[in-house]
Amino acid sequence: KAGVTQTPRYLIKTRGQQVTLSCSPISGHRSVSWYQQTPGQGLQFLFEYFSETQRNKGNFPGRFSGRQFSNSRSEMNVSTLELGDSALYLCASSSKREPGQETQYFGPGTRLLVL
Amino acid sequence: QKEVEQDPGPLSVPEGAIVSLNCTYSNSAFQYFMWYRQYSRKGPELLMYTYSSGNKEDGRFTAQVDKSSKYISLFIRDSQPSDSATYLCAMGLSGGSYIPTFGRGTSLIVHP
Repeated sequence: KAGVTQTPRYLIKTRGQQVTLSCSPISGHRSVSWYQQTPGQGLQFLFEYFSETQRNKGNFPGRFSGRQFSNSRSEMNVSTLELGDSALYLCASSSKREPGQETQYFGPGTRLLVL
Repeated sequence: QKEVEQDPGPLSVPEGAIVSLNCTYSNSAFQYFMWYRQYSRKGPELLMYTYSSGNKEDGRFTAQVDKSSKYISLFIRDSQPSDSATYLCAMGLSGGSYIPTFGRGTSLIVHP
């Protein structure tokens, strides 16, 4: 079974630009969640989608948005990039809404550098 | 004070040792608790999930939750060099609100 894939793996953008990251979950998984990981703040939850609906959202500004398609693939978008948005962006998929009901699998992440 | 506190380490132990990793938290409403392992330049891997208090064992790993003390632990028995990684704890509310709060992670080094 193929794992969670994220594209692109690396990205360099400049301040003020916008970026779209993509995540393909494991086949059959309907829950996709997104996270930001930085050396300063650690791992932080961005949002979770389940069957095309955003179910939960972390404490991030409205510049961070996402969506999920009918095939469960998900995208996240960051508009008006700031230097502090430089981070590893991870997505994870699960067949249930909460981990523990069914295990959760992370992708390798997209490393975003904002100059 | 952060909501979840975790000593960043590094924690260095010899192969075969019993490792104890810990997190404390301040929000008494947290109901579910998780431990992740993250190898360098990889995404995290969910190791253990515990709901409410008690112990859970899976192979060489044991997770403990003490809600009265707001303290959770992960024990690794017979540690191996392949266990060298960063271990993150996470916890959250229940009732359909899946918004986990993570610790900063503890770097573990198991030397042969």
